[in-house]
Amino acid sequence: EVQVVESGGGLVQPGRSLRLSCAGSGFTFSSYDMNWVRQAPGKGLEWVSHISTGGSDVNYADSVKGRFTVSRDNAKNSLYLQMNSLRVEDTAVYYCARGSAYSLWGQGTLVTVSS
Amino acid sequence: QPVVTQEPSLTVSPGGTVTLTCDSSTGAVTSGHSPYWFQQKPGQAPRTLIYDTNNKHSWTPARFSGSLLGGKAALTLSGAQPEDEADYYCLLSYTGARVFGGGTTLTVL
Repeated sequence: EVQVVESGGGLVQPGRSLRLSCAGSGFTFSSYDMNWVRQAPGKGLEWVSHISTGGSDVNYADSVKGRFTVSRDNAKNSLYLQMNSLRVEDTAVYYCARGSAYSLWGQGTLVTVSS
Repeated sequence: QPVVTQEPSLTVSPGGTVTLTCDSSTGAVTSGHSPYWFQQKPGQAPRTLIYDTNNKHSWTPARFSGSLLGGKAALTLSGAQPEDEADYYCLLSYTGARVFGGGTTLTVL
């Protein structure tokens, strides 16, 4: 089955770190750019980050720049989001989405930042 | 970062036509912004309807179309169905970043 599955979410205190993963299957993962998008409870979508097929080109939203790092391991068909210095406002469902056409979305993983 | 603006809400009658728009604070939206349109229903992940202004995925119903209209990106729904009631988001690409609009809640009534 062609899918992406996010994992790694949970409850974390402000200032702490968390690493999200996105596992791709059923397609050639290394051929696609990948994206992270988040959605705070009851709010709209927010683009977070993009990474090119080889990982050399990365981009971030201003709201996470300097705190979040996107990476990928094509040998493991996996995408990662290292989130440091987490803030309450980072609380959201985090989705990974495949490709420049956003052709495949996962079901998301919930990150809750709270003391 | 730029601000992308959408109508907060719109209503369309069943079988009717409605156009959702997507505006950029930096000026006219062009094909260079590679406009995307996403549909999201309650409790579900988003799904992409339109990419690169007017390209459809295999699952995109024919009644949806994307275009540039009056300096904005536009999503037109012709022949609205009850199942089209959802939130719709546009996404524009800028140098080094992408920005979502705030979303439009479409009611079919």
